[in-house]
Amino acid sequence: DVKVTQSSRYLVKRTGEKVFLECVQDMDHENMFWYRQDPGLGLRLIYFSYDVKMKEKGDIPEGYSVSREKKERFSLILESASTNQTSMYLCASSPPGTSNEKLFFGSGTQLSVL
Amino acid sequence: GENVEQHPSTLSVQEGDSAVIKCTYSDSASNYFPWYKQELGKRPQLIIDIRSNVGEKKDQRIAVTLNKTAKHFSLHITETQPEDSAVYFCAPPRNYGQNFVFGPGTRLSVLP
Repeated sequence: DVKVTQSSRYLVKRTGEKVFLECVQDMDHENMFWYRQDPGLGLRLIYFSYDVKMKEKGDIPEGYSVSREKKERFSLILESASTNQTSMYLCASSPPGTSNEKLFFGSGTQLSVL
Repeated sequence: GENVEQHPSTLSVQEGDSAVIKCTYSDSASNYFPWYKQELGKRPQLIIDIRSNVGEKKDQRIAVTLNKTAKHFSLHITETQPEDSAVYFCAPPRNYGQNFVFGPGTRLSVLP
């Protein structure tokens, strides 16, 4: 079974802090994604990566950056956390190619910015 | 960009009844149409998907139908059970790549 692990289930940070959310997958997937989930808005794509050192902006990248130094790890960085970044953050991965689009999600990190 | 809508946003059914959730999309390049289920406090998980060369796909009590001309696809759940209570998301892809746009979700409640 594919395992996507997010380092923290709950996180509380202060406004202005730099926040790191870590995601690791164990199935050698090329594709990795960061979404945020807010009630009534579904899942919105923040950033994604198709390969090591590669990153692409999603629909709501403002205030975020990412790092993919190793294939299995995709980190989301909040450079200066703000209260409107309080949300559930979901990491996902998928294998490459047009025949395997299934997303495998981590269990999520509920971030509260005070 | 891709515009994805789901209807209804909430749905309550009696146990044993059927439920249908519709997803409309705007990107005509979409060729893969998945449905995800998210139970309370858990991660989204793929429950069924369909490709554009197929009109319908069934897996036990769930099915997905696709109308590519009208740009919508629907999730059908028959003989609903309490464990079907969850939020369901459609997520058609865009730009020919592995980059998905999720709908806003439909909250299904199955009443005993």
